[in-house]
Amino acid sequence: GAVVSQHPSWVICKSGTSVKIECRSLDFQATTMFWYRQFPKQSLMLMATSNEGSKATYEQGVEKDKFLINHASLTLSTLTVTSAHPEDSSFYICSARIYRGNSYEQYFGPGTRLTVT
Amino acid sequence: AQSVTQLDSHVSVSEGTPVLLRCNYSSSYSPSLFWYVQHPNKGLQLLLKYTSAATLVKGINGFEAEFKKSETSFHLTKPSAHMSDAAEYFCVVRGISSNTGKLIFGQGTTLQVKP
Repeated sequence: GAVVSQHPSWVICKSGTSVKIECRSLDFQATTMFWYRQFPKQSLMLMATSNEGSKATYEQGVEKDKFLINHASLTLSTLTVTSAHPEDSSFYICSARIYRGNSYEQYFGPGTRLTVT
Repeated sequence: AQSVTQLDSHVSVSEGTPVLLRCNYSSSYSPSLFWYVQHPNKGLQLLLKYTSAATLVKGINGFEAEFKKSETSFHLTKPSAHMSDAAEYFCVVRGISSNTGKLIFGQGTTLQVKP
């Protein structure tokens, strides 16, 4: 249990276009999902926290108008990179939170490799 | 504020020998600590977690970690490395005192396993 999927797994787009990435919890409901960005050989950087039915909470320095997050249901959150530029090229990973045992656990999707040309 | 420091950016071991990946944490509260593994171009998989229960935590794939409050450490170990263990490992602390806080990641340790 606790499987998180992402689609697409990789995408190449032209500069100026928008790209949507989907994150789904396949066998559980997640009121909270997270979006991370990871540069090569680096750690994960939290971009935003997505709560079902409400606005996402963005980390300092993350442009909310550029990275649009929608958490329309308990199993789906989407990240849209608007007017993408080459510097947005990165590995984007989503995570869904579930209460298990005596604490919350986060399960991660396989990531989406975005390349902007 | 909570933070984690992974003391080695790169660890190389021979197959069949023990693995030690070091992690120190800083926390004003009793922390929740995690180890995640990431294989190339893959998402993260939870290896184990510590949430103030037993200090020696056993995880998947033969890994375990020991919470040592006096040393503020949470090192990850495995008695015998396998080639499939080669990956990136992240030590993670949950932020603030609530168990719904954000995860704070260490910089990662690359584990290389030589045949």
